[in-house]
Amino acid sequence: DVVMTQSPLSLPVTLGQPASISCRSSQSLENSDGNTYLHWFQQRPGQSPRRLIYGVSYRDSGVPDRFSGSGSGTDFTLKISRVEAEDVGVYYCMQGRHWPNTFGQGTKVEIK
Amino acid sequence: EVQLVESGGGLVQPGGSLTLSCAASTFTFSTYWMTWVRQAPGRGLEYVANIKQDGSEKQYLDSVKGRFTISRDNAKNSLYLQMNSLRAEDTAVYYCAKDPNHFDENVWGQGTTVTVSS
Repeated sequence: DVVMTQSPLSLPVTLGQPASISCRSSQSLENSDGNTYLHWFQQRPGQSPRRLIYGVSYRDSGVPDRFSGSGSGTDFTLKISRVEAEDVGVYYCMQGRHWPNTFGQGTKVEIK
Repeated sequence: EVQLVESGGGLVQPGGSLTLSCAASTFTFSTYWMTWVRQAPGRGLEYVANIKQDGSEKQYLDSVKGRFTISRDNAKNSLYLQMNSLRAEDTAVYYCAKDPNHFDENVWGQGTTVTVSS
């Protein structure tokens, strides 16, 4: 199975400051159809997961533009330009290039 | 608003069976891949199974292959997960979702809890 490794696993952030989460895959996520199957999810406390970013860098509808995704191949990053209180939760990367689709361990974002 | 509502979770003994259901509303259910994802207590997310629009293709996590069956009824806008030979390690919240691996609107249900314990 493709292993997704996130870092850090815990990320204390000051309100209004930027935050960055890294995700590395054990195999390339680039597909012959031209797409890269790397997605990011947010799970707020007590809630279902919500996809924020698909295909590395495309924001889902309704996702604030302070969230952005980048990367290629096996190395990807989720950035929050200015953290707000509602951003507290656990963030997961997920690969869908190879079955079984797999998630990273999760990064817990909390306010300092 | 697009909605997915799961039901059918509960407490079951090891070796027992349970069938989860997921009812979809306000989107064209029959045109989307659907999936079940689970989350064990205090743990991360795990893809369990997914199914093509017409049910002709299904994929399973190795640890559930032969024990779980994913199915759908497009006429009823419903997704199912039949779970047999349940084990303690199957204990989790099970989420129904439009397959998040596709480049279109993504929707998740609220989850239903399965507890396997004697």
